[in-house]
Amino acid sequence: DVKVTQSSRYLVKRTGEKVFLECVQDMDHENMFWYRQDPGLGLRLIYFSYDVKMKEKGDIPEGYSVSREKKERFSLILESASTNQTSMYLCASSFLDRGQNIQYFGAGTRLSVL
Amino acid sequence: EDKVVQSPLSLVVHEGDTVTLNCSYEVTNFRSLLWYKQEKKAPTFLFMLTSSGIEKKSGRLSSILDKKELFSILNITATQTGDSAVYLCAGPNFGNEKLTFGTGTRLTIIP
Repeated sequence: DVKVTQSSRYLVKRTGEKVFLECVQDMDHENMFWYRQDPGLGLRLIYFSYDVKMKEKGDIPEGYSVSREKKERFSLILESASTNQTSMYLCASSFLDRGQNIQYFGAGTRLSVL
Repeated sequence: EDKVVQSPLSLVVHEGDTVTLNCSYEVTNFRSLLWYKQEKKAPTFLFMLTSSGIEKKSGRLSSILDKKELFSILNITATQTGDSAVYLCAGPNFGNEKLTFGTGTRLTIIP
């Protein structure tokens, strides 16, 4: 079974703090993704990575950065957390199989910024 | 810009009822359409549809795609309380690197 593990289920941080969200996958997938999920807005892509040290902006990258130093690990960084970054953050990984790209998700991190 | 629209936004039915969830999409260079179920945490993969008119089935869940009308439905028969979840529909972008998700349908099954 594919396993995508996010380091924290719940996090509470203060405005201005630097926040690291970690994600690890154990299936040697090339692609990894960070989304945020908000009521009424669905899943929105923040950043994705298709290889080690490679990253691409998604639909809402402002206020975030990412790091992928090893294939299995993809980190999301909030340099200076703000209250509008309170959200559920979901990590996913995938690989291309016969042209099809199925994403597998971690359990999510619910971040509250006070 | 790729677009995936789901309806209804929410649905409340009694246990044993049959439900139909809808997904319409506008994506360039269509490759596939995916359905996920999200309970309290991670979305879990249900189906991937690539061909029109071919039903995919898993137990009480089934799904079909209409590539001409750019539409898919997810059917759940004899619903159970464990079917309560948000159901998400998604389509890959042109380069097949990422997925565009709909906002989901929240399904609630009343015992």
